[in-house]
Amino acid sequence: EAGVAQSPRYKIIEKRQSVAFWCNPISGHATLYWYQQILGQGPKLLIQFQNNGVVDDSQLPKDRFSAERLKGVDSTLKIQPAKLEDSAVYLCASSLAGLDQPQHFGDGTRLSIL
Amino acid sequence: QKEVEQNSGPLSVPEGAIASLNCTYSDRGSQSFFWYRQYSGKSPELIMFIYSNGDKEDGRFTAQLNKASQYVSLLIRDSQPSDSATYLCAVKGSNYQLIWGAGTKLIIKP
Repeated sequence: EAGVAQSPRYKIIEKRQSVAFWCNPISGHATLYWYQQILGQGPKLLIQFQNNGVVDDSQLPKDRFSAERLKGVDSTLKIQPAKLEDSAVYLCASSLAGLDQPQHFGDGTRLSIL
Repeated sequence: QKEVEQNSGPLSVPEGAIASLNCTYSDRGSQSFFWYRQYSGKSPELIMFIYSNGDKEDGRFTAQLNKASQYVSLLIRDSQPSDSATYLCAVKGSNYQLIWGAGTKLIIKP
């Protein structure tokens, strides 16, 4: 079974620029998550999709972050404009539908803002 | 504010010994509990999940859940250097949101 695919693996941009990340979940996984993980901290949920609908985006900084999952499969997360504090690893995870299903993570995108 | 607390460590354990990692949570209505392992520079990897009070064993790993005391622990028997990583506790609360701890760094000394 193929795992969660993410790209790019690394990205370096200057502040105020824009950046986009892509995620393809495990086949058949209806639920998709985007997390931000700052060094030394646990993952912080940015947004959760169930198929192509948003379940939870309460911690997404909506003035600069956006995400979509138009066809209920792959997803993109965008930051525009980027700030220095956005430097982090952006993790995508997916799970089967259901309240207690464990999440499976992609390799993440390491974002550095200069 | 629902919280999940872990000792940040590092926790240093000799090779072959038992490593014990602990996690406490504040939401008494929490139902699902997960342990993830994260190697440096890598993404979290699911080790175990537990839903019911008591112990759940999988190979060298045992998860222990005590809902009355609101803690969940992970025991690693016969610790190996390859077990050196950060261990993240994640708890699905009564509002079905998954709350993550900051992780405990475990070092297994050869």
